[in-house]
Amino acid sequence: QVQLVEPGGGVVQPGGSLRLSCVASEFNLKIFGMYWVRQAPGKGLEWVAFIPYDESNQYYAQSVKGRFSISRDISKNTLYLQVNSVRPEDTAEYFCAKDIRPYGGNGYWSLDLWGRGTRVTVPS
Amino acid sequence: QSALTQPPSVSGSPGQSVTISCTGTSSDVGTYNRVSWYQQPPGTAPKLIIYDVTSRPSGVPDRFSGSKSGNTASLTISGLQAEDEADFYCSSYRSGNTLVFGGGTKLTVL
Repeated sequence: QVQLVEPGGGVVQPGGSLRLSCVASEFNLKIFGMYWVRQAPGKGLEWVAFIPYDESNQYYAQSVKGRFSISRDISKNTLYLQVNSVRPEDTAEYFCAKDIRPYGGNGYWSLDLWGRGTRVTVPS
Repeated sequence: QSALTQPPSVSGSPGQSVTISCTGTSSDVGTYNRVSWYQQPPGTAPKLIIYDVTSRPSGVPDRFSGSKSGNTASLTISGLQAEDEADFYCSSYRSGNTLVFGGGTKLTVL
């Protein structure tokens, strides 16, 4: 079954770090651009980061630039989000998602497969 | 980065049509055709229902349609059904390799 599963998440103290994982099943992560999107409790969706299929660059929302890092391990078909220097406002459900078409060097910016999400809580 | 502007809520009776607007700028909706719409029932992950302004993924009913005029994109749901009740979000590519979402619209089926 084609799916994305995000294990991990949890409670992390302000200023701390956490690595989120997203395991892809039944499709090759290597040929698709991938995204992280988050949703604070009771709030809307917020794009966090994008990595093109060829890893030519990584792109970040201004709110996380310099603190978060998106990466992949192709051998494990897994996407990661390294979250550093966390703040209470980073508390959210974090979703990984896949680009709609393969080989988009600049991204197609439509997310056609989403994981169920993993909760990150940063107490104030 | 400012979100795209959506109405907080819309409602309609079964069988009716509703339209949700999504207003951006010339840096996103007005220039690029990378506009998408997502449906998110409570407690679930978003689901893509429209991409590239007007295209529907396989399996999405043709009751869902998208359009764009200038800086405003729209999602129209015709033949409203009870199971359509959910939050709806638009998104658009924005110049500078970023993605911006709308604030979300809650659809209530009366």
